[in-house]
Amino acid sequence: QKEVEQDPGPLSVPEGAIVSLNCTYSNSAFQYFMWYRQYSRKGPELLMYTYSSGNKEDGRFTAQVDKSSKYISLFIRDSQPSDSATYLCAIQGAQKLVFGQGTRLTINP
Amino acid sequence: EAGVTQFPSHSVIEKGQTVTLRCDPISGHDNLYWYRRVMGKEIKFLLHFVKESKQDESGMPNNRFLAERTGGTYSTLKVQPAELEDSGVYFCASSQDLGGPDETQYFGPGTRLLVL
Repeated sequence: QKEVEQDPGPLSVPEGAIVSLNCTYSNSAFQYFMWYRQYSRKGPELLMYTYSSGNKEDGRFTAQVDKSSKYISLFIRDSQPSDSATYLCAIQGAQKLVFGQGTRLTINP
Repeated sequence: EAGVTQFPSHSVIEKGQTVTLRCDPISGHDNLYWYRRVMGKEIKFLLHFVKESKQDESGMPNNRFLAERTGGTYSTLKVQPAELEDSGVYFCASSQDLGGPDETQYFGPGTRLLVL
């Protein structure tokens, strides 16, 4: 079983839609949960991180962690074509990141 | 401030050859990480340097891979001899502090390695 499971998509939605991206993880010891965004031919860049359970909001983006069900989510409101990218969930274990496979998202104008 | 840089951006080699990838971390970052993404799979951790010391090399696939970070600045990852399954994108990341939410890992653009 993978430590982090993420549906690779692809996911295609119209501009303005609410996007929901999700991951599950297996190790309950993890404390830090991240979402990275990766544009084509670029490296991943940190979008948001959450410590333990709860929600965190940053503009149009909301990250949510439910440790009881080992489930992490990223919501994008009012999605824009510029949000088209691959979104990777990652969990920090010790000093290394454990990534999900990434979900390829396309926002259609 | 310059970001993490990696060289080369692409490399195509034949099976059995040697390839060396280079990573220049953000200036002042003591932590340097190597990750790899094989096609169709997730990005996986290879190893972690703190300055010039290997802190964790649990993700290195086998002894054909050798990573160095002489002087605690740039790092090299050598694959010798390369095999077909080594093809993928090799990412380098660096961070400033150990532990906690402020340890943001900044990634380079990656080196795309194709072994024929």
